[in-house]
Amino acid sequence: NAGVMQNPRHLVRRRGQEARLRCSPMKGHSHVYWYRQLPEEGLKFMVYLQKENIIDESGMPKERFSAEFPKEGPSILRIQQVVRGDSAAYFCASSFGRSSYEQYFGPGTRLTVT
Amino acid sequence: LAKTTQPISMDSYEGQEVNITCSHNNIATNDYITWYQQFPSQGPRFIIQGYKTKVTNEVASLFIPADRKSSTLSLPRVSLSDTAVYYCLVGASPGAGSYQLTFGKGTKLSVIP
Repeated sequence: NAGVMQNPRHLVRRRGQEARLRCSPMKGHSHVYWYRQLPEEGLKFMVYLQKENIIDESGMPKERFSAEFPKEGPSILRIQQVVRGDSAAYFCASSFGRSSYEQYFGPGTRLTVT
Repeated sequence: LAKTTQPISMDSYEGQEVNITCSHNNIATNDYITWYQQFPSQGPRFIIQGYKTKVTNEVASLFIPADRKSSTLSLPRVSLSDTAVYYCLVGASPGAGSYQLTFGKGTKLSVIP
């Protein structure tokens, strides 16, 4: 049973470009969460999605960031017009139900903005 | 969410037992205590969760005193592969629907040969 998959693992973008990060949850999981980790910091919650629905995006910056989890295919975290401050590791997690604290994390996508 | 405090770093020799303590003085009645492990360049991994007394699984033990204001993660006979950051999280009970995991800076455990 494959775990949570994220791609790409590393992404380099110039300032002003768009970044698209993909996440495929564990088989059978329909709840997806995105977190961001800045260097030397803990993970910070960004958004919680179920299939075709955004449940909670309270941790997501109001501008340039968006997320989706379509009926078919992976969840996508999209960052438009990236800036250097967006450089971070972005982790996706999934759970079977509306989990409290047992979430399964992917390996992350390391975004570097030059 | 209850605030947690844990040591920034710890060193241990291989084969020793390691105990990492987390303080959570304002833990709520319904809160559970959960520990995650994160290796470099990987996502966090759930280790163990408990409410009171002692919980043990194949990876670790979790000791929670009666007042629940602290908890101790115990790793038996650590090896070099246990070098990682360990996070203590306190929050709503399983099934309560609280999903925003709040990670602090964790405890960076370095295992020395």
